[in-house]
Amino acid sequence: SQTIHQWPATLVQPVGSPLSLECTVEGTSNPNLYWYRQAAGRGLQLLFYSVGIGQISSEVPQNLSASRPQDRQFILSSKKLLLSDSGFYLCAWRLGRRSYNEQFFGPGTRLTVL
Amino acid sequence: AQSVTQLDSHVSVSEGTPVLLRCNYSSSYSPSLFWYVQHPNKGLQLLLKYTSAATLVKGINGFEAEFKKSETSFHLTKPSAHMSDAAEYFCVVIVTSGTYKYIFGTGTRLKVLA
Repeated sequence: SQTIHQWPATLVQPVGSPLSLECTVEGTSNPNLYWYRQAAGRGLQLLFYSVGIGQISSEVPQNLSASRPQDRQFILSSKKLLLSDSGFYLCAWRLGRRSYNEQFFGPGTRLTVL
Repeated sequence: AQSVTQLDSHVSVSEGTPVLLRCNYSSSYSPSLFWYVQHPNKGLQLLLKYTSAATLVKGINGFEAEFKKSETSFHLTKPSAHMSDAAEYFCVVIVTSGTYKYIFGTGTRLKVLA
């Protein structure tokens, strides 16, 4: 069966520090991968998605970046965090080109920037 | 362009009474629509999905939703609320332009009173 992992689970970072969040998927290959951010009391905002190794699409211009160095690894990074980067970050994967294939979400990372 | 509107940001019900969480969609095409649930500080779990088959869709934990094209609605219901149903619920429409991205509603927080 497929599983998706995210780490760390929680993170507290000072403003201006770098960030690296990792997401890995097991039990499948060639997944589409997604990074979302959920700010307090708000819905989910799609940040990046990837349909293959090295292929990254950005949805929202910001100081975050994403990379996909391996088929089942998706990394979210920042060189200098802002206060507004605080939130709950979710990684998700899906297979195939059918619109009805659902996305499967990881457990999330709670990021607090102080 | 596709979009979803969740009409209530908060809903409170008593345990054992029916639940109704409202969602309206906008789509130029026959949409694929999902409902997800998120418990506090957790990832999202798929409750059910509509993919142009039966208009009444049954999901997990006793939830169901009815697709009504004439009303452009996909409301989520449950006959009898349980304390464990307290969570945030998201209605999602799938972008069908080839990327199959999700468009999330802003969420409805369900509170279940003892």
